[in-house]
Amino acid sequence: DIQMTQSPSSLSASVGDRVTITCRASQSISSYLHWYQQKPGKAPKLLIYAASSLQSGVPSRFSGSGSGTDFTLTISSLQPEDFATYHCQHSYSIPYTFGQGTKLEIK
Amino acid sequence: EVQLVESGGGSVQPGGSLRLSCAASGFIFSNYGMNWVRQAPGKGLEWLSYISSSSSTTYYADSVKGRFTISRDNARNSLHLQMNSLRDEDTAVYFCARGVEGYDIWGQGTLVTVSS
Repeated sequence: DIQMTQSPSSLSASVGDRVTITCRASQSISSYLHWYQQKPGKAPKLLIYAASSLQSGVPSRFSGSGSGTDFTLTISSLQPEDFATYHCQHSYSIPYTFGQGTKLEIK
Repeated sequence: EVQLVESGGGSVQPGGSLRLSCAASGFIFSNYGMNWVRQAPGKGLEWLSYISSSSSTTYYADSVKGRFTISRDNARNSLHLQMNSLRDEDTAVYFCARGVEGYDIWGQGTLVTVSS
């Protein structure tokens, strides 16, 4: 199975900050990597698919990059509504594992 | 409105069974692969199972293989997860989700509690 490791596990930042979250796969997954945002008690929301494609309706301050084993999610200027948990997931092979999540908190 | 609505969660004893359902509306259900994903309390997301649009292909995580069965009824726009031989560690919120390369539509989740 492909293991997905996110770093950091938690992060404190301020409104307006630029934030980067990393996801590393245990083997190459090409660009089969997706990012989700989840708020407490809610379902995840797709932000980025195929490593760098912005899902419709998602603000352009969110961007994704990477291929192979190393991927990043960047929020260019944090807004109050961005404080949430972020998850990466691959779809390269079964099982389609998620990372452990990164909790983004207000500093 | 495009939406997925899960139902069927509840409390069950270890070894018991439950059948979850996911009602789809607002889109052509038969065009999409579908998934079940769960989240144990305070934990991350765990992908469980996938079914193709025509039901010809199904996949399972090892943690549920042989105990859970995914199915769909395209005529009724519904997705199901039959869960047998439930264990304490199956306690979680269960989500249905649409898609293959990134899940763009999710249900609100249904809570399954396995406890004696």
